[in-house]
Amino acid sequence: DSGVTQTPKHLITATGQRVTLRCSPRSGDLSVYWYQQSLDQGLQFLIQYYNGEERAKGNILERFSAQQFPDLHSELNLSSLELGDSALYFCASRRTLRDTQYFGPGTRLTVL
Amino acid sequence: AQTVTQSQPEMSVQEAETVTLSCTYDTSENNYYLFWYKQPPSRQMILVIRQEAYKQQNATENRFSVNFQKAAKSFSLKISDSQLGDTAMYFCAFMTDNNNDMRFGAGTRLTVKP
Repeated sequence: DSGVTQTPKHLITATGQRVTLRCSPRSGDLSVYWYQQSLDQGLQFLIQYYNGEERAKGNILERFSAQQFPDLHSELNLSSLELGDSALYFCASRRTLRDTQYFGPGTRLTVL
Repeated sequence: AQTVTQSQPEMSVQEAETVTLSCTYDTSENNYYLFWYKQPPSRQMILVIRQEAYKQQNATENRFSVNFQKAAKSFSLKISDSQLGDTAMYFCAFMTDNNNDMRFGAGTRLTVKP
C-alpha cells in the first residue's frame, strides 16, 4: 500500500459525459501528479499540482482539467468524453522534487 | 528532449534464473534520478528501485539490482532468482531536478515461467 488513495476504482460512462476522479496523496506530500495509461501503453504525464497551485502541464487535453484543494486532495475532471479517453488514470504524490513518486491504485475509466 | 527507451517489448525467464531488462535515456541534464517500476496484472505501479545520477554505486534492493552507466546513458535492471510473482510490466522512468514530471519508457513485459 503506497498511501495514495484514488476513487472510484472503476467508472463506466457514455460518450459526451463528464466525470471526476479523486486522489488523496500520502500524508505530508504536497505534490500531486496525474497520469493516463491507455491499454498496454506507457504512462503519459497530464498535470502536476504543488500545494494547491498548478506547476506543470503535460499532454493534457483542453477537455480535461484538475485542481488541488486546501486539504491537498486533488480532482481530475474529464468532460465531453470520447471513446479514446478510456484508460487507467493514475495519481501519484511526493514530498519534495527529489523524492520518489508513489502511485495510487488507479481509476479505470471505460467510455462506451 | 528527454526520452526513455526500452527496446525489449517482451521477455521471458525460467523461474530461479537471472534476467536483465534494458533501458536507455537521453538528457542534457547532469542531475537526475532513474527508477524502475513494476506493474503486475493488478495494474498497481510499484517502485522497484531508484538510482541517483550523482551516485556511482549501483543501487540494490534484495534480488533487484541496476547497472547504471552514466556515460552511455544506460540503466538496466537485473532480477536474480526470478520468481513467479515477478511476472509484470516493468517501466523505466527518469526525472530531473528541473522538470516536475517523470518520463516513462514504453515498458517491458516480463514473464517468469515455472
